[in-house]
Amino acid sequence: SAVISQKPSRDICQRGTSLTIQCQVDSQVTMMFWYRQQPGQSLTLIATANQGSEATYESGFVIDKFPISRPNLTFSTLTVSNMSPEDSSIYLCSVGVRGTYEQYFGPGTRLTVT
Amino acid sequence: SQQGEEDPQALSIQEGENATMNCSYKTSINNLQWYRQNSGRGLVHLILIRSNEREKHSGRLRVTLDTSKKSSSLLITASRAADTASYFCATGPYQTSGSRLTFGEGTQLTVNP
Repeated sequence: SAVISQKPSRDICQRGTSLTIQCQVDSQVTMMFWYRQQPGQSLTLIATANQGSEATYESGFVIDKFPISRPNLTFSTLTVSNMSPEDSSIYLCSVGVRGTYEQYFGPGTRLTVT
Repeated sequence: SQQGEEDPQALSIQEGENATMNCSYKTSINNLQWYRQNSGRGLVHLILIRSNEREKHSGRLRVTLDTSKKSSSLLITASRAADTASYFCATGPYQTSGSRLTFGEGTQLTVNP
């Protein structure tokens, strides 16, 4: 199993600013993903973080708004840029379990934009 | 867009009773998984069923999959207050080897002591 930590756990930010969320895994993993969970709703996949290359974004999400870095096999960051109140959500990173399709999730970052 | 729909959206039962949640999806899948989320925290993987399987058990959990109806159900037997959480189904698409998950809308389960 993989242990995943996220920083910060929560933050309150002003509109127009940016926040970078960190995801650290205790072992090397190939697949890392970023999800958004808006209040009271389900999870939506933002992108797959690829080590050594640009992230693969899902429909409706763009790199200018959600730049992602993946410098190595244990770490990734997601930046939420030029925030608006609509960006208030829980952001979760997850990793794929080698040899299966299961994913392990971090504890999430609860973001409130005022 | 979310392809999974779950019902009921909310379920309230007494401790000891069984809880059944249903999930429907729209496209071909490689696998279907169920996750639990406590109070807006990280998700915990519960069980995975592959598209060529019809039923799977894990402890008090029983999952069924009907690919002809594009639906799945999760049964929790002898529920406990600690089972109170949101439950999500997630599908892994056939085309991308099943790794990119699409989550359903979720069922909020409340187990009353």
